[in-house]
Amino acid sequence: NAGVTQTPKFQVLKTGQSMTLQCAQDMNHEYMSWYRQDPGMGLRLIHYSVGAGITDQGEVPNGYNVSRSTTEDFPLRLLSAAPSQTSVYFCASSYSHSSSGANVLTFGAGSRLTVL
Amino acid sequence: GQNIDQPTEMTATEGAIVQINCTYQTSGFNGLFWYQQHAGEAPTFLSYNVLDGLEEKGRFSSFLSRSKGYSYLLLKELQMKDSASYLCVPMDSNYQLIWGAGTKLIIKP
Repeated sequence: NAGVTQTPKFQVLKTGQSMTLQCAQDMNHEYMSWYRQDPGMGLRLIHYSVGAGITDQGEVPNGYNVSRSTTEDFPLRLLSAAPSQTSVYFCASSYSHSSSGANVLTFGAGSRLTVL
Repeated sequence: GQNIDQPTEMTATEGAIVQINCTYQTSGFNGLFWYQQHAGEAPTFLSYNVLDGLEEKGRFSSFLSRSKGYSYLLLKELQMKDSASYLCVPMDSNYQLIWGAGTKLIIKP
């Protein structure tokens, strides 16, 4: 099993450009999520999905869009990149969101984004 | 509000034992996770506690006291590869995970 696959691993953008971070999981997990991690801070939830066709906002959703057309894929779109979006982005999935013991997250390797 | 309190950084010696403490305040409680994160890598799951008491898993043990809002992670027989950040992550009544900055553990020979 590949687990959670994120691409690209590194990306440099100019202010105003758009891009999509890809995330795919092969574990048949219901729940998928996107986090950003900045130095000295905890992970912050951007968007999440509890199943195909269902998405919801997390703590810091502004400037980002998501969709969940299949169970496997959960892409994150940056609409118009800003320097404040320079960060490391992690995609994570779990079997379930609302069953305590099944909430163990499996993370992708991360995508390091720099916006100039 | 919801918050987590862990030491920012700890140092220990290879072969020794270290205890990383965590106190938390959440709106309701549905369990607590510990994750390990090596520098430049993604977090990986270590343990999950939902009932009071100690859970042992090899060299790592995790303890929970729900009434005190307190947990600790105990690492025995420390190895250099244990140098990492350790994240205490409680889950609130809506099954939302509360993430803090974690504790950076430095292991010295």
